[in-house]
Parts: sequence; structure tokens; C-alpha cells
Amino acid sequence: KAGVTQTPRYLIKTRGQQVTLSCSPISGHRSVSWYQQTPGQGLQFLFEYFSETQRNKGNFPGRFSGRQFSNSRSEMNVSTLELGDSALYLCASSPRDRVYEQYFGPGTRLTVT
Amino acid sequence: GEDVEQSLFLSVREGDSSVINCTYTDSSSTYLYWYKQEPGAGLQLLTYIFSNMDMKQDQRLTVLLNKKDKHLSLRIADTQTGDSAIYFCAESSGGKLIFGQGTELSVKP
Repeated sequence: KAGVTQTPRYLIKTRGQQVTLSCSPISGHRSVSWYQQTPGQGLQFLFEYFSETQRNKGNFPGRFSGRQFSNSRSEMNVSTLELGDSALYLCASSPRDRVYEQYFGPGTRLTVT
Repeated sequence: GEDVEQSLFLSVREGDSSVINCTYTDSSSTYLYWYKQEPGAGLQLLTYIFSNMDMKQDQRLTVLLNKKDKHLSLRIADTQTGDSAIYFCAESSGGKLIFGQGTELSVKP
């Protein structure tokens, strides 16, 4: 089975712009979670989607949003980018019968200048 | 609140055993995890343990859980240079994972 895929892998944006990142889960997985990884704050949970519904949300400002489509693919959007949003954004998917297992993709490296 | 702590660095010789330690605070965590991250890559799920277990062994990996002390450890037997990476401990909490800061394992030939 193919793993979790994330596109794009690298992205450079300017302050004030917005960005959309995409995640395709492992085939058959219906739960998708997003995490932000920075050197200073480490790995922090953003949100989790299951069957197109947001089930859980981390402590991030409203500029961070996400959605999930009927094919379980997910996108996250960051509006009005700030320098501090520069990070590795990781997506993880979980199988329906073992939702406690989270399998991560390679991440999208976002640089905000 | 939820918190997971790990030591930041560990250096071992090739062929030795490595032990990476972690403490967590959420006593209601159902699962505890170990992930591996190599440079430029995402997180690889190595193993996890259910909170009612004390030990889990998977090939060269042994996980020990002391629920009373909220202490988790990962032992890697016969450590190889390919094991050099950052290892993250994580606890499940309310449907999300809470990660430690990661332990950088350096394996010297």
C-alpha cells in the first residue's frame, strides 16, 4: 500500500499570503490529523478529521483551518501568513479499525519570508 | 496539563544497546508510542504499547511501561548506525498525540 502523501513537499511564501497544503491518506484510512513541527515548539497538534467532520482541534489561531473530502483526502489552509508559521506540516492517517495507530507522511516544509 | 519529557541526546557505540527514556503526565493515556524521524523525513511509527501492558517486544525493540511512575522506555538491541535518528515519545490524549521534544540518538562505529 502506498503511504501517506503530502503535496507540495516544499513551499516558500511571503508574509500576508495564504497557503493550502494537501494530504492523501493511506488507502482505506478515514481519519486524518495534522501536526506542526518547529524547532522551538516541537510537534503540536492542529486538527483531526474523520468522515469529513472535524473531531478535534488544537490550540491554534483561526487563521489555521482544514477540511476533509468524501475520498478522505484533506487540505489545510493558513491565511495571512506570519514568519512564525514557517514549519514542517505533517499529516497522519489512521485505519478505521485501529484509530490509535497514526501513520505520518513526509511533510510539507513551509518557509515564510 | 499534558506534558511529555525526554532527554535530548544519547550517544552509543555500534553493537551496544540504546535506552531512551520518557516521562508523561496524562494518567488517562490509553496508548503510548515511539516514533523515529530521520533527517528530512516524516515520522515513522516504530511501536506502541497499550496502557494496561508492562512490556512489549518487537524484534530489536523493547518497550517498558511503568504506569505508576508514568515512565516509558525504548530499548534498541544491537544498535546500528542506521538507527541514528531522532526518537519521539508520544501519549494519546483526547484523540490527539502529545509528543516529547525528541531524543537525538547518535550511533558511533
